[in-house]
Amino acid sequence: AQSVTQLDSQVPVFEEAPVELRCNYSSSVSVYLFWYVQYPNQGLQLLLKYLSGSTLVKGINGFEAEFNKSQTSFHLRKPSVHISDTAEYFCAVEFTGGGNKLTFGTGTQLKVEL
Amino acid sequence: GAVVSQHPSRVICKSGTSVKIECRSLDFQATTMFWYRQFPKKSLMLMATSNEGSKATYEQGVEKDKFLINHASLTLSTLTVTSAHPEDSSFYICSARDFDKPGSYEQYFGPGTRLTVT
Repeated sequence: AQSVTQLDSQVPVFEEAPVELRCNYSSSVSVYLFWYVQYPNQGLQLLLKYLSGSTLVKGINGFEAEFNKSQTSFHLRKPSVHISDTAEYFCAVEFTGGGNKLTFGTGTQLKVEL
Repeated sequence: GAVVSQHPSRVICKSGTSVKIECRSLDFQATTMFWYRQFPKKSLMLMATSNEGSKATYEQGVEKDKFLINHASLTLSTLTVTSAHPEDSSFYICSARDFDKPGSYEQYFGPGTRLTVT
């Protein structure tokens, strides 16, 4: 079965500390991987994506993610977070042959504290 | 970058009435748009895929007669919640892909519409 898992529903972290948000998926077909950020009462903004090529992907706002095919993971990282990074983060997967549909994880609330 | 708008951003309606939500791609043509529903503190649930000039494809469990989707042009898709009830209250988000942008694979999301049914 194809699925996307974000194990951490909430991640509290102090400002300027590093953070990693985890995303794992299950699939028997090739995938395209995305991380989106959502601020309260707003739509989703793309942080970064992996389609092919280098497994380390850099995105906006200093975020990066690494695709690990053997572990079927696509964890999101930032070396030093800011208060403004407080938001909901969603991992999303497009499964090849799935009609261009995205399957979302359940989201991780990142709360950056002073 | 590609922009998707939604209108209205918020709507309050009485139980039993119908509400129409518009999703527009402002600077690109979108042959396919997607409609999602998001419950409080929950993930996005795909409701249907809207195809320009043809019938929408609904996900399992989504009532097509209740959530009417029309995609009459390359830049506009509408979602009509018919005979709305309080349980239809939710945050509805649309997205679109720019298939004229090779290798993009990115869905551009609208800002969402908060529907409250009283």
